[in-house]
Amino acid sequence: DIQMTQSPSSVSASVGDRVTITCRASQGISSWLAWYQQKPGKAPNLLIYAASSLQSGVPSRFSGSGSGTDFTLTISSLQPEDFATYYCQQANSFPITFGQGTRLEIK
Amino acid sequence: QVQLVQSGAEVKNPGASVKVSCKASGYTFTGYYMHWVRQAPGQGLEWMGWINPNSGGTNYAQKFQGRVTMTRDTSISTVHMELSRLRSDDTAVYYCARGRGYSAYEPFDYWGQGTLVTVSS
Repeated sequence: DIQMTQSPSSVSASVGDRVTITCRASQGISSWLAWYQQKPGKAPNLLIYAASSLQSGVPSRFSGSGSGTDFTLTISSLQPEDFATYYCQQANSFPITFGQGTRLEIK
Repeated sequence: QVQLVQSGAEVKNPGASVKVSCKASGYTFTGYYMHWVRQAPGQGLEWMGWINPNSGGTNYAQKFQGRVTMTRDTSISTVHMELSRLRSDDTAVYYCARGRGYSAYEPFDYWGQGTLVTVSS
């Protein structure tokens, strides 16, 4: 199975900050990488697919980059509604696997 | 609009089985793969498998092989996930999630609201 490792596990930031979350795959996954946002008690929400493509309806302050084994999610200017947990997911091969999550908290 | 509506919460004894339903609407049911993902309390996301609603074909994570069965009923645009021989560590919220394209490798663009399954004696 492909292991997905996110860093950091948690981060504190302020409204307006720029935040970057990293995801590393245990083997190359080309661009088969997606990012999700999850708020407490809610289902995850797809933000980015194919490593860098913005899902319809997602604000442009979210962006993704990377290929192979190293990927990043960047939020350019944090808004109050962005405080949540973020997960990366690989779909290069089965089983599909997720990172352990990064909790983004208000400083 | 696309909607996935899941069945309600369940409480089961260890060793029992549970069947969770997911009714789709707002799109062509047979055109998109459906996946199941679970999340234990306070934990991350775990993929369980997919079903192709068109063919009925399935692919299960090895961890669940022999315990999980995914089926579909195209007449009512519904997929089902049955998990047998339940253990306490199967306590989780179970989600159905639609693949965004025509491939099983596509990420999940729509999710059900989740079904809490509690396994306790």
